[in-house]
Amino acid sequence: GPKVLQIPSHQIIDMGQMVTLNCDPVSNHLYFYWYKQILGQQMEFLVNFYNGKVMEKSKLFKDQFSVERPDGSYFTLKIQPTALEDSAVYFCASSLALGGLEQYFGPGTRLTVL
Amino acid sequence: GQQVQQSPASLVLQEGENAELQCNFSTSLNSMQWFYQRPEGSLVSLFYNPSGTKQSGRLTSTTVIKERRSSLHISSSQITDSGTYLCAMEPGYQNFYFGKGTSLTVIP
Repeated sequence: GPKVLQIPSHQIIDMGQMVTLNCDPVSNHLYFYWYKQILGQQMEFLVNFYNGKVMEKSKLFKDQFSVERPDGSYFTLKIQPTALEDSAVYFCASSLALGGLEQYFGPGTRLTVL
Repeated sequence: GQQVQQSPASLVLQEGENAELQCNFSTSLNSMQWFYQRPEGSLVSLFYNPSGTKQSGRLTSTTVIKERRSSLHISSSQITDSGTYLCAMEPGYQNFYFGKGTSLTVIP
């Protein structure tokens, strides 16, 4: 079936550095999402994105976070600067439409902030 | 408040036994999915099931919209079924809300 890819699978960085997580969504999908899962905890929504704009974001989507998809390339999540509490697995997802359809999830990027 | 409640939180089965996992929603739902999360963390989508019953092999999902619940039935459990089962719901033109999951352990 359709696949969402995420690069890298693991990333270790020092607190205060910038990190960019990359997502290659399903090719004809229009809506993109980031979710965050701290180890052993619940998966939580961060942000969704359509037509170059953030549609909705949660309170977890801090000012240090930003998303973009320049020219139909990777959908990215940038964190600048990183903090210890940003350590988590970040999952990207995509769907054809917003609401009422299946979301396809990537395998996740495990981010460790030291 | 918590939109998605999963039960039980954990379950231990002997190989060959059946399991019934429940997901209850506090609001009306527009769509929902069941996922299997592998021990190393990656997600496998099991069912996209906004209503009715779907079956795939030993797995059956039933969603009853008006009762705001969905169930996942695993028949003849195998050791490789061990892991965490997540349900997620979308209340209407929004993102998904996830439950805390059911941790399943199947022993020989």
